[in-house]
Amino acid sequence: AQSVTQPDIHITVSEGASLELRCNYSYGATPYLFWYVQSPGQGLQLLLKYFSGDTLVQGIKGFEAEFKRSQSSFNLRKPSVHWSDAAEYFCAVVYGNEKLTFGTGTRLTIIP
Amino acid sequence: DTEVTQTPKHLVMGMTNKKSLKCEQHMGHRAMYWYKQKAKKPPELMFVYSYEKLSINESVPSRFSPECPNSSLLNLHLHALQPEDSALYLCASSPTNGQGYTFGSGTRLTVV
Repeated sequence: AQSVTQPDIHITVSEGASLELRCNYSYGATPYLFWYVQSPGQGLQLLLKYFSGDTLVQGIKGFEAEFKRSQSSFNLRKPSVHWSDAAEYFCAVVYGNEKLTFGTGTRLTIIP
Repeated sequence: DTEVTQTPKHLVMGMTNKKSLKCEQHMGHRAMYWYKQKAKKPPELMFVYSYEKLSINESVPSRFSPECPNSSLLNLHLHALQPEDSALYLCASSPTNGQGYTFGSGTRLTVV
């Protein structure tokens, strides 16, 4: 069955520091890959997505992600975080059907 | 219009009540979804409609009844819910190629 793993439940980063959130997917075929962000009590906002082509994807709010087929990974990065980036981050996959499946999420805390 | 609109934003209902959640999009998306999200958990798929027909039901209890009156509207009818059904209910839409999902801001449901 298709699945996606986010190994880090909670990450704390200092404001201005760089950030990397990990995401690994299972299954043989390359899925469509997404990163979403959710602030408390809010809906999900799409940060970026990968379908094919260039493996480095640029998103909104200064985020980027790199697809690495050899590692089955799609890690999210940001060079310098802001206090407003504190939120829950979800990696999600679609394997050619209509089921968008989410990882368990990584909660990001920003310290001054 | 690039939004998915959900109403109401908040709903409190008793276990004997009947209520409905509404979702609307005008992006021409032909796939629409209901997700349920408990606190500190990822969204879980409940139902998928494709071209106004129910294509996926993730073994959801019959006290949840979805309806897709047309390509822009999606309803979730609620009846005889339990307190454990309290959650954030998210609606989403996408083109049927699975390449883009837009989420609404959700309905926060409390069952008392």
